[in-house]
Amino acid sequence: EIVMTQSPATLSVSPGERATLSCRASQSISSNLAWYQQRPGQAPRLLIYGASTRASGLPARFSGSGSGTEFTLTISSLQSEDFAVYYCQQYNNWPLTFGQGTRLEIK
Amino acid sequence: EVQLVESGGGLVNPGGSLRLSCAASGFTFSVSTMAWVRQAPGKGLEWVSHIGSQSVYIYYADSVKGRFTVSRDNAKNSLYLQMNNLGAEDTAIYYCARAECTGSICRIFDYWGQGTLVTVSS
Repeated sequence: EIVMTQSPATLSVSPGERATLSCRASQSISSNLAWYQQRPGQAPRLLIYGASTRASGLPARFSGSGSGTEFTLTISSLQSEDFAVYYCQQYNNWPLTFGQGTRLEIK
Repeated sequence: EVQLVESGGGLVNPGGSLRLSCAASGFTFSVSTMAWVRQAPGKGLEWVSHIGSQSVYIYYADSVKGRFTVSRDNAKNSLYLQMNNLGAEDTAIYYCARAECTGSICRIFDYWGQGTLVTVSS
């Protein structure tokens, strides 16, 4: 099973600033990585797939990068609605696995 | 508008069974790969099961293999999860999700239902 490790567990950032979230895979997953956002009380929402392709309608302030084992989700100029929990997911191998999440909170 | 509506959750005794349903609308269900993902209270996401459009290929997480059975009825636009021999570790919100395809890989969850809560407790 591929273990996905996200860091940090919690990230405190001020509105308008940039946030950088990291995700590491225990073995290479090529670019088969997705990012999801989950706001309190809501279902997850797909943000990024293929490590860097934005989902339909996603604002350009969200960007993803990386390949192999190291990946990054960057949110430039944070808006109030961006404060949530973010998960990465690998889909290179079965079983599909998620990271433990990064909570992005207002500083 | 794509909609996925789960039902069938509730309180069940350890060792008991439950059947979850997911009603789909707003897209062509019969050609879509579907999945179940769960989330224990206050915890992260855990993939549970995957089923191809014609039920030819089915996958399960090791944690549920042999106890859970996924199925679908394309005529009714519905997805199901039969859960047997439930334990406290199965307590979670169960989400139905559509698995979008990139190339031949259909493992990205682009639409999610709001989930149904399963609580296993005596």
